[in-house]
Amino acid sequence: GNSVTQMEGPVTLSEEAFLTINCTYTATGYPSLFWYVQYPGEGLQLLLKATKADDKGSNKGFEATYRKETTSFHLEKGSVQVSDSAVYFCALSDPWYTGGFKTIFGAGTRLFVKA
Amino acid sequence: NAGVTQTPKFQVLKTGQSMTLQCAQDMNHEYMSWYRQDPGMGLRLIHYSVGAGITDQGEVPNGYNVSRSTTEDFPLRLLSAAPSQTSVYFCASSPRQSHTEAFFGQGTRLTVV
Repeated sequence: GNSVTQMEGPVTLSEEAFLTINCTYTATGYPSLFWYVQYPGEGLQLLLKATKADDKGSNKGFEATYRKETTSFHLEKGSVQVSDSAVYFCALSDPWYTGGFKTIFGAGTRLFVKA
Repeated sequence: NAGVTQTPKFQVLKTGQSMTLQCAQDMNHEYMSWYRQDPGMGLRLIHYSVGAGITDQGEVPNGYNVSRSTTEDFPLRLLSAAPSQTSVYFCASSPRQSHTEAFFGQGTRLTVV
């Protein structure tokens, strides 16, 4: 079945450091790929997405490229800020699976950014 | 912009009690779902619905019931609460179109003692 594997956390970085959070997936068909972010005490919100191979999603300085050959969707940011401290979830959605849709989430990676 | 609204935000139950977690969305989305979030396990799908009158089980449905009488509402019922159901619960909705993201509520933190 479909699954998402992302690097375990927590990840601790200093402000202005480079961030990479690895994500790989297993899926049949042609899923869409997402990164969601969860700030403390809040629900998940979409950070970025890519709907087909080689698409690059980007938002708020974060980027991720849909790599079908390596089944990966790694999240990157060139210079993190303290306000980026949150939990990041990689996810996939196979929209027409069994006539509906299911979003499959990774376990989440907690990021701490120190000033 | 209300989006997806969940109530209550916090709840403490005794083992064996029943309760209903409410979820409402005002975006006219056809798809709605319930997830539970546990440390180190990400989000796991409990139940989902592809439209009013249609529901289906996710990967962890035991101990939970749902119904979808309207497009807007998708309540989750705990029939007889158990400590293993202590978790944070999220409701999400999405339009029918493919390749679209899910919109989440703020979550309900449930503790069963």
